[in-house]
Amino acid sequence: DAGITQSPRHKVTETGTPVTLRCHQTENHRYMYWYRQDPGHGLRLIHYSYGVKDTDKGEVSDGYSVSRSKTEDFLLTLESATSSQTSVYFCAITTSGPSSYNEQFFGPGTRLTVL
Amino acid sequence: RKEVEQDPGPFNVPEGATVAFNCTYSNSASQSFFWYRQDCRKEPKLLMSVYSSGNEDGRFTAQLNRASQYISLLIRDSKLSDSATYLCVVNLVTSGSARQLTFGSGTQLTVLP
Repeated sequence: DAGITQSPRHKVTETGTPVTLRCHQTENHRYMYWYRQDPGHGLRLIHYSYGVKDTDKGEVSDGYSVSRSKTEDFLLTLESATSSQTSVYFCAITTSGPSSYNEQFFGPGTRLTVL
Repeated sequence: RKEVEQDPGPFNVPEGATVAFNCTYSNSASQSFFWYRQDCRKEPKLLMSVYSSGNEDGRFTAQLNRASQYISLLIRDSKLSDSATYLCVVNLVTSGSARQLTFGSGTQLTVLP
């Protein structure tokens, strides 16, 4: 258990509304990630963070923004949700250390439906 | 061409069977390799890291062939509880993306009683 929680776990919203998903970790990991998972595409990286206030874009960042104001929380915001953003969103952390192979550990996911 | 390619399956095998999954990756600079399993409607969970010499964990054996850019996972004596989707994952270490992983789309396994 990597001590990662996500909230909400399920959300249904309407097109055009803003949505914020929260990822919370309890073990002070530096690296955090947001992915989306869709059938046929596997997991795709949206944004990641390598420290407080340090973030960068991933493969599918358009339409998403992130913020990390403290180590334990990484927020993903859809400024104006679209139906194409209906997906399952996973947060992940990377363990670190000299023996680490950069394994990532995932939160339980958030199922987002945009109508 | 996808960076990480897997046969999507599904693989349907009887209990006790041996099953093998293959995965190819496109970037020869990739440095770390993993197999994850994902149960239906759950998060991916790390199954094994794949080491250069190959490694075994109980009924599971992972192998890496850097020359052919190929990773495999062998499951012996399949159990019903092995039914899941298996994800091949590759870590490309480059400046600015040192800890990003690239995921295959997964291979679905169903073990039948």
